[in-house]
Amino acid sequence: ETGVTQSPTHLIKTRGQQVTLRCSSQSGHNTVSWYQQALGQGPQFIFQYYREEENGRGNFPPRFSGLQFPNYSSELNVNALELDDSALYLCASSLEAGGNYEQYFGPGTRLTVT
Amino acid sequence: AQSVTQLGSHVSVSEGALVLLRCNYSSSVPPYLFWYVQYPNQGLQLLLKYTSAATLVKGINGFEAEFKKSETSFHLTKPSAHMSDAAEYFCAVSEMAGNQFYFGTGTSLTVIP
Repeated sequence: ETGVTQSPTHLIKTRGQQVTLRCSSQSGHNTVSWYQQALGQGPQFIFQYYREEENGRGNFPPRFSGLQFPNYSSELNVNALELDDSALYLCASSLEAGGNYEQYFGPGTRLTVT
Repeated sequence: AQSVTQLGSHVSVSEGALVLLRCNYSSSVPPYLFWYVQYPNQGLQLLLKYTSAATLVKGINGFEAEFKKSETSFHLTKPSAHMSDAAEYFCAVSEMAGNQFYFGTGTSLTVIP
């Protein structure tokens, strides 16, 4: 059984640029959640996708957007990058939406904005 | 609204000693509670979860946690610390109809040989 994978592992971008991060969910999982983890902090919820539809969003501006594909893989797009966007971005998949389903996390993408 | 408080951002224990990491939650509905561990430069790995069954939950690597509704707590324990337990530990809360996990700010565990 393949776990959650993310690409790329590391990324360096310049302020104002756009970035796309990718996530492949665990086999059989139809729900993907994205989190931002700043240095020394716990993960903060960005949004969740369930069966290709957005299923909730945290307190992040619209320049953070996402997609989920028919195979349940997902993308996180961030436009007009700011220095504060530097963080570890974690993708998590779960069997179904709903808080009683544990979320399985990928290794993350470390984004540095200069 | 839901939130999680982890008391003690850094905890040090001697190898072989008891590990106790504290987590208190706030939830307006019956919560689901989780403990995750994060090793350097890695994602989060689930240690254990509470989903309204037994209040004492056993997880991987010898960890366990007890749900105490009256104290709104879900503290993580391990009887005997091992060097490999050194990592960052996160407590998280969610609810049945919810779509997100709310994480605490984490506790960094150091194990002293």
